[in-house]
Amino acid sequence: AQTVTQSQPEMSVQEAETVTLSCTYDTSESDYYLFWYKQPPSRQMILVIRQEAYKQQNATENRFSVNFQKAAKSFSLKISDSQLGDTAMYFCAFMVSGGSNYKLTFGKGTLLTVNP
Amino acid sequence: GAVVSQHPSRVICKSGTSVKIECRSLDFQATTMFWYRQFPKQSLMLMATSNEGSKATYEQGVEKDKFLINHASLTLSTLTVTSAHPEDSSFYICSARDRQGSYNEQFFGPGTRLTVL
Repeated sequence: AQTVTQSQPEMSVQEAETVTLSCTYDTSESDYYLFWYKQPPSRQMILVIRQEAYKQQNATENRFSVNFQKAAKSFSLKISDSQLGDTAMYFCAFMVSGGSNYKLTFGKGTLLTVNP
Repeated sequence: GAVVSQHPSRVICKSGTSVKIECRSLDFQATTMFWYRQFPKQSLMLMATSNEGSKATYEQGVEKDKFLINHASLTLSTLTVTSAHPEDSSFYICSARDRQGSYNEQFFGPGTRLTVL
């Protein structure tokens, strides 16, 4: 079974600054995907960024980037130039490639507050 | 594109009644849909996976007789909470995978808040 651990229940950052959210995972699989999802107060789940485990290059989406360390089983999310709209719950998630129905396993989440 | 809707967005019911929640993929065909439950300030827990035209696969600990899932078409899956009790009060979220899209991509609905009195 896969587990995803987010050790920071809450974090805060000043607008325009950079913040890093941590995520570690445990798996015996070699081929998998990792995700960061954002859940704002509306509670709509939004995909922030996705990383394929076989790719060494870290994924980047505008102000969002990841630091994927496969050997350490670490997958942190860096948010640059934080904006008020980034205030949300952030979930790290894991999916086995080719696994039964490609199910997502979520971490417990980190509540990020961006302060003006 | 890739929009998933849920209906209703909120529902309040009396203890002992049954409630049906619909999940629809509006602009794509979904061979697989997933149902999650989320308690306040907690993570999403997968309840079951439904494939069009076949029985749902439930996660360990989820009562299949209480949470009935039907995926009768490529655009609709329903979750029926039978004989609901206050402990079933929660936020229920569905997601869907595009038949012609990436296997690793799920599109989420906006969720349904169920309150059982």
